[in-house]
Amino acid sequence: ETGVTQTPRHLVMGMTNKKSLKCEQHLGHNAMYWYKQSAKKPLELMFVYNFKEQTENNSVPSRFSPECPNSSHLFLHLHTLQPEDSALYLCASSQYKAGVPDTQYFGPGTRLTVL
Amino acid sequence: SQKIEQNSEALNIQEGKTATLTCNYTNYSPAYLQWYRQDPGRGPVFLLLIRENEKEKRKERLKVTFDTTLKQSLFHITASQPADSATYLCALVSSGGYNKLIFGAGTRLAVHP
Repeated sequence: ETGVTQTPRHLVMGMTNKKSLKCEQHLGHNAMYWYKQSAKKPLELMFVYNFKEQTENNSVPSRFSPECPNSSHLFLHLHTLQPEDSALYLCASSQYKAGVPDTQYFGPGTRLTVL
Repeated sequence: SQKIEQNSEALNIQEGKTATLTCNYTNYSPAYLQWYRQDPGRGPVFLLLIRENEKEKRKERLKVTFDTTLKQSLFHITASQPADSATYLCALVSSGGYNKLIFGAGTRLAVHP
């Protein structure tokens, strides 16, 4: 276990559904991330939160909406998704400090299938 | 644009041999580079970090080299075991900030008994 948990582990949803992915880190870190991993492609950074403030939105469509209520929890709200959004969604956390190499701890991911 | 390339073909080796994986990058001047391991259906796990002023880093059976002239990192696993079978990802910090990592697509390693 890495200290980062994600629920649910698997999710199947229709294009008109609304669902949320949840991530929780038990490491006392101050930064959290959402990544998307599609088959045979590199991890794509979606959102970065430092000290609960969003510092990166990597041109992600508005049908993905992140929420970070505190430094331990991160959500990804999903609505009106497309089949091409099917992928493994990974949450990560780290102890971010400016100028210091950042090692990230990943959760097990949520395997999302959009029908 | 910044780009990281890892061999997309799987690497198959015999148990006990040394596995060598390659990570090449372009349009980068990274301060450091990281390697992660990812098992099927799981998130990546951090293995090693090497800074630009370090030529080599070791951890048990793992060794990483970093050649900023060639813009390349090599990842070695000595005395490989079937349990080393996984996908190995290299990651560089983006010019956008120290915690914005850009990952390669990874190379799948299969170690056969």
